Amino acid sequence: GAGVSQSPSNKVTEKGKDVELRCDPISGHTALYWYRQSLGQGLEFLIYFQGNSAPDKSGLPSDRFSAERTGGSVSTLTIQRTQQEDSAVYLCASSFFGGVGTDTQYFGPGTRLTVL
Amino acid sequence: DQQVKQNSPSLSVQEGRISILNCDYTNSMFDYFLWYKKYPAEGPTFLISISSIKDKNEDGRFTVFLNKSAKHLSLHIVPSQPGDSAVYFCAASGSGGSNYKLTFGKGTLLTVNP
Repeated sequence: GAGVSQSPSNKVTEKGKDVELRCDPISGHTALYWYRQSLGQGLEFLIYFQGNSAPDKSGLPSDRFSAERTGGSVSTLTIQRTQQEDSAVYLCASSFFGGVGTDTQYFGPGTRLTVL
Repeated sequence: DQQVKQNSPSLSVQEGRISILNCDYTNSMFDYFLWYKKYPAEGPTFLISISSIKDKNEDGRFTVFLNKSAKHLSLHIVPSQPGDSAVYFCAASGSGGSNYKLTFGKGTLLTVNP
């Protein structure tokens, strides 16, 4: 079946602009995660959605970052007034039921964001 | 502070030999550990995991060892194949109530030479 898909694959923007990154999780997966990987770093947790529960936004680095998940499926990560330090690969993952580390997270290919 | 550390940025081995990738962690609350493999321009893919109640888990050519007292785990690949060349990330979960959060190391680039 289809895996996690993300769009766009690459995004170049100017400092101060807003960007939207999209994630389509695996069908039937109730949990969705966003991570980012800055150059030379490991993946950093950003936000977690599970079903209709309130999302865990504890990893979002600033209030310029927000995310939503519509209809329990597609998710959009929005970064307002982008800064150069936002340049990174943004990865989305989904899992079947979430809630525990043993529930395998399947990652998309990521969106490479470059802020000039 | 880095809670999961992969101190070797890169490793090069000959085809057919053993590859050993190491990972150290500092958070004693972690109770589940995973290895992910990542090829360029692709997302990480799950490889193997181990629960803190075990000290070894094997899946084909891949074995993960956990030493809780040393807060150390390692991934052994035997025999190594050129297709194993990728970045390997160690990850951990189980810290407090948010155990769906994975904490990742920075990764180790493995190159298997034919």
